[in-house]
Amino acid sequence: KAGVTQTPRYLIKTRGQQVTLSCSPISGHRSVSWYQQTPGQGLQFLFEYFSETQRNKGNFPGRFSGRQFSNSRSEMNVSTLELGDSALYLCASSMTQTKRPPNYGYTFGSGTRLTVV
Amino acid sequence: KNQVEQSPQSLIILEGKNCTLQCNYTVSPFSNLRWYKQDTGRGPVSLTIMTFSENTKSNGRYTATLDADTKQSSLHITASQLSDSASYICVVSPPSDYKLSFGAGTTVTVRA
Repeated sequence: KAGVTQTPRYLIKTRGQQVTLSCSPISGHRSVSWYQQTPGQGLQFLFEYFSETQRNKGNFPGRFSGRQFSNSRSEMNVSTLELGDSALYLCASSMTQTKRPPNYGYTFGSGTRLTVV
Repeated sequence: KNQVEQSPQSLIILEGKNCTLQCNYTVSPFSNLRWYKQDTGRGPVSLTIMTFSENTKSNGRYTATLDADTKQSSLHITASQLSDSASYICVVSPPSDYKLSFGAGTTVTVRA
């Protein structure tokens, strides 16, 4: 069973540019969450999508946006990149809450390492 | 204030030795607690998952304990190996499962 796939693995962009990251969840998983991880802040929640709808959002500026497609694949977009956006961006997928047991875990992808120069 | 506090921030141990990592949380209500291992530059990988009614869960050389009364969890690594060098992250879930609370992690370095 394929895991969570994130592309690309590495990305270098310049300030002011925009970037799109992709996440393909485990087959059958309809929930996709995005996280930003930096050495100073640890893992921070960006947003979660379920059935093409953003269900929850973290405390990030509007430059960070996302969407989910009918096949549950999700994309995250960051516009007007800043140096501080350099981070490891992780996505995680899971079954719908009503279908999984309470001890079911999220599965993370390997992440996209974004460097803004 | 972070609702999940981990200690120590980092530690160095010799190969073959044991170590224990701590996680204190204030998330309430609480549904389950997870420990993840994250190698540098990779995504976190689940080690153990415990619901509020479980006290201990093992995964090979990794054993997690949970005291829901004191809101404390620990992860014990037995007979450490070089491959255990990683960051270990404690994640706590309220019943609204998508609002996970993450600890900052403990970086473990195992030396030969």
